[in-house]
Amino acid sequence: AQKITQTQPGMFVQEKEAVTLDCTYDTSDPSYGLFWYKQPSSGEMIFLIYQGSYDQQNATEGRYSLNFQKARKSANLVISASQLGDSAMYFCAMRPGGYQKVTFGIGTKLQVIP
Amino acid sequence: AAGVIQSPRHLIKEKRETATLKCYPIPRHDTVYWYQQGPGQDPQFLISFYEKMQSDKGSIPDRFSAQQFSDYHSELNMSSLELGDSALYFCASSTSQVRNIQYFGAGTRLSVL
Repeated sequence: AQKITQTQPGMFVQEKEAVTLDCTYDTSDPSYGLFWYKQPSSGEMIFLIYQGSYDQQNATEGRYSLNFQKARKSANLVISASQLGDSAMYFCAMRPGGYQKVTFGIGTKLQVIP
Repeated sequence: AAGVIQSPRHLIKEKRETATLKCYPIPRHDTVYWYQQGPGQDPQFLISFYEKMQSDKGSIPDRFSAQQFSDYHSELNMSSLELGDSALYFCASSTSQVRNIQYFGAGTRLSVL
């Protein structure tokens, strides 16, 4: 079975500072994909970044980067230069290879303070 | 760029009624997924379709059914609605490429009274 663990129910960060959202996962599949999604209060689910289990380099997408430590089974999201619009719920998710369904963690609520 | 379109955005139903949710995937995406997100919870996978065939199934109640049509749009049919069905229902779509990134629609918020 696959499991995603997000241990930070809520986080605060000052505007323009960087913040790391933690995510650990558990799977027996050697091939898998890791995702981060953002859910603002309006409810939509926005894809942020993807990391494949065989990718050699950490994924980056603009101000988002994924700190992938395969041996530790962690996939932390780093947001640089936080903006007020970054205030949202952030979900870490995983899709094992050969499967289509994505398993989500319980999310971390991030609040950016002016 | 075109995104996943879901309709309606909001739906209010009475107990024991029926609801139909529609999803139009991103053009050229061949796989559609349905998720249910209860209040304060993470999304839970319901069902997926690849090339109009059911490809994976999660915790979808027997009262729910879904299908994907020839134009790739999908519908989630929910019958005998219960109070506990009140949730945000997401549709997502992807291609069958290796990365298989699922892009989500804005969701349909269903309230069962």
